[in-house]
Amino acid sequence: EVQLVQSGAEVKKPGESLKISCKGSGYSFTSYWIGWVRQMPGKGLEWMGIIYPGDSDTRYSPSFQGQVTISADKSISTAYLQWSSLKASDTAMYYCVRQPPMQQLVRRWFDPWGQGTLVTVSS
Amino acid sequence: QSVLTQPPSVSGAPGQRVTISCTGSSSNIGAGYDVHWYQQLPGTAPKLLIYGNSNRPSGVPDRFSGSKSGTSASLAITGLQAEDEADYYCQSYDSSLSLYVFGTGTKVTVL
Repeated sequence: EVQLVQSGAEVKKPGESLKISCKGSGYSFTSYWIGWVRQMPGKGLEWMGIIYPGDSDTRYSPSFQGQVTISADKSISTAYLQWSSLKASDTAMYYCVRQPPMQQLVRRWFDPWGQGTLVTVSS
Repeated sequence: QSVLTQPPSVSGAPGQRVTISCTGSSSNIGAGYDVHWYQQLPGTAPKLLIYGNSNRPSGVPDRFSGSKSGTSASLAITGLQAEDEADYYCQSYDSSLSLYVFGTGTKVTVL
């Protein structure tokens, strides 16, 4: 069974750094793009970016470029989302997602989804 | 960032048919990019419901169907059941923004 298992909830203060993780299992981790989606409290879904663990090729949404860093460690089948200086507005649920192995990036969807990591930033 | 517009809510009685629209533009749905749909049950992660405009993943009941025409797409739920109460999101690709875009989301209520 293909699974994405995310790290647990985090409570941080503004200005602190944070790295959350997403471990893939049940498939060849290096052969599929994996990404992150944000859902702010009571709001909709926003795509943040994707990475290809095979060669670390990374694409960001313009809205999140420079705000977060997406990385992956293929030796342990884990993707990461990190912040260097959190803001209160980063409070949200973050989901990791996998894309199907299609060559055409523009046609891809997200499946499966991780269970989500709730990040709360408050002073 | 939501460039795909959905109605905030739709409702129906058990057994009825409801449809959810997803309206885009010439840089996303109208450009020919595929539309995908997700179901988010309360307190859970979204789940893929429809991919490639009208294809159901294994395990998704055939009560759910998708279609696309012009700059819009639709999700239909026939034989509405209480367990279908959830938020539904469409998703596509936008060439002017160079990113994946989600719809604004629709809450389905079973009366």
